[in-house]
Amino acid sequence: RKEVEQDPGPFNVPEGATVAFNCTYSNSASQSFFWYRQDCRKEPKLLMSVYSSGNEDGRFTAQLNRASQYISLLIRDSKLSDSATYLCVVSLFGNEKLTFGTGTRLTIIP
Amino acid sequence: EAQVTQNPRYLITVTGKKLTVTCSQNMNHEYMSWYRQDPGLGLRQIYYSMNVEVTDKGDVPEGYKVSRKEKRNFPLILESPSPNQTSLYFCASSRRQSSYEQYFGPGTRLTVT
Repeated sequence: RKEVEQDPGPFNVPEGATVAFNCTYSNSASQSFFWYRQDCRKEPKLLMSVYSSGNEDGRFTAQLNRASQYISLLIRDSKLSDSATYLCVVSLFGNEKLTFGTGTRLTIIP
Repeated sequence: EAQVTQNPRYLITVTGKKLTVTCSQNMNHEYMSWYRQDPGLGLRQIYYSMNVEVTDKGDVPEGYKVSRKEKRNFPLILESPSPNQTSLYFCASSRRQSSYEQYFGPGTRLTVT
């Protein structure tokens, strides 16, 4: 079983819609969770951290469910510029090593 | 401008011909890392370095070498490249205290024939 699993998509969503996708992780000792964004043929960039209490940044909301070992990302009022691959990232407490999921590809359609 | 640079950006080479991909950061970051990205496998860590002269293996270190003689540079060396090392390579750096926020270079697309 992969340490971090994501639905690869692609998700094709009309502009203005709300879209959500999940990521599951296998190691219950995982402590830190993040979403990175990767545009086509570009480098990954940190989008947001995921806290136990949830985290909201503008149109983006990230949540953590420790009992079921998954994190989610919700994008409201989606924009064309949100088209990208979203990478779920997990790390153990105090460990610099990040484990990346394979990513979920999102395309926003005009 | 704060950045991570990699060179070359594109490289086509033949099996067995030694090559080096350079990585440099200007943010005075302690932590640097190399990843490879392959379809369906995601980003996998090759080697990382916590500071000068401190390096350690990641998940897929076979066939690669690294060195960290200066804080800003972290070159990736392929002594005898093979076709299964054809991939997209990313260098990344971060502050030790916030290693989750890694700054990635633009990537090096390597093809080994």
